[in-house]
Amino acid sequence: SQQGEEDPQALSIQEGENATMNCSYKTSINNLQWYRQNSGRGLVHLILIRSNEREKHSGRLRVTLDTSKKSSSLLITASRAADTASYFCATDLTGANSKLTFGKGITLSVRP
Amino acid sequence: DTGVSQDPRHKITKRGQNVTFRCDPISEHNRLYWYRQTLGQGPEFLTYFQNEAQLEKSRLLSDRFSAERPKGSFSTLEIQRTEQGDSAMYLCASTPETDTDTQYFGPGTRLTVL
Repeated sequence: SQQGEEDPQALSIQEGENATMNCSYKTSINNLQWYRQNSGRGLVHLILIRSNEREKHSGRLRVTLDTSKKSSSLLITASRAADTASYFCATDLTGANSKLTFGKGITLSVRP
Repeated sequence: DTGVSQDPRHKITKRGQNVTFRCDPISEHNRLYWYRQTLGQGPEFLTYFQNEAQLEKSRLLSDRFSAERPKGSFSTLEIQRTEQGDSAMYLCASTPETDTDTQYFGPGTRLTVL
């Protein structure tokens, strides 16, 4: 079974709006990462947040982590049509030797 | 291009045939991971290598699957007697020794078993 569960499963927004995606997980983690996947392609690493961090920024991305609730959120500000993709959260579980456990993903559509 | 490369990008085979995929990690990345992704799902871990040593295998990796990394550089994933349920995208990722947290993924090999 997969560790992370993203919410919503699909999100459609207008260009320029912000997109918020959530991820919940079940067990103790070393870090949580977000990846993007364009249709039929490999994954691109977006941002990593460690278990002792609460918030990180990278360009238009902001990720938060609440270990007490075992949840994370990814915010993409000022979205662009090029942000249209599937987004996955992945957890690096404690003692897992950095192998990642992925959720099912969120499909983001940004309308021009 | 100095990223992770995978070959072939697409493979169509008939049930019962053997297939082999290749992954070339980023130069000097000592860890290499294989994942499988089925339609509508996230990637699932299959196995990983540290240099030439295969350190962990998922229970998803049945005895029809074998992976090697003979010289600690490229890796191959072989599936024997393919089944329709093997149809998936097979992804390879690598990490450097200095930062094992961030995995760099290749474009994947899409396998279709008829």
